Amino acid sequence: SSELTQDPAVSVALGQTVRITCHGDSLRSYYASWYRRKPGQAPVFVIYAENNRPAGIPHRFSGSRSGNTASLTITGAQAEDEGDYYCNSRDSSGNHWVFGGGTKLTVL
Amino acid sequence: QITLKESGPTLVKPAQTLTLTCTFSGFSLSSSGVGVAWIRQPPGKALEWLAVIYGNDLKTYRPSLNGRFSITKDNANNQVGLTMTNMDPVDTATYYCANTYRGSGIFEFWGQGALVTVSS
Repeated sequence: SSELTQDPAVSVALGQTVRITCHGDSLRSYYASWYRRKPGQAPVFVIYAENNRPAGIPHRFSGSRSGNTASLTITGAQAEDEGDYYCNSRDSSGNHWVFGGGTKLTVL
Repeated sequence: QITLKESGPTLVKPAQTLTLTCTFSGFSLSSSGVGVAWIRQPPGKALEWLAVIYGNDLKTYRPSLNGRFSITKDNANNQVGLTMTNMDPVDTATYYCANTYRGSGIFEFWGQGALVTVSS
């Protein structure tokens, strides 16, 4: 079992806002990073902490953290945002990295 | 432009040893703040962080590997290796390498991945 837990699946209507959450005790101390994987492709880094996005990731992606929960919010979801989203942060020891179980996002 | 590419055997028998190589460009692995990590994804399952090596040769491993995996670097050839011993069918996965920055938890750019199958 993972030290970071995510809902297995989330859906959102085209153009609406969706929040993908990640829960874990280590998130009280450390920020999360988020990755998206589409079928047949390598994962892509989406965001770190709140607004540290790499080039090419739209501003509609934002991050946040509250207590033991990190969230990835997509404001105005697009069809190309579909995929499996994974959070990552340190484990409970703080010495290693761990991924969440992943959330499959469907844009309706 | 940072790029990474994994290479190595695609099929190995149980109990055998396998080494994957990550060849990278666009950055140098000579700084203590720069690293390369290995991450895998078993079929139908989630991503799993395996190991990381930094420019000062600091290495960290997933605890559950119990010493079966070893990460090394070759600065002259811009390569990072992952040697996996006593392979088991549960190690069947797509293996990725990615560049990272010490303490950040950011895996910035990823290779295309290498599918490794463990089967007799």
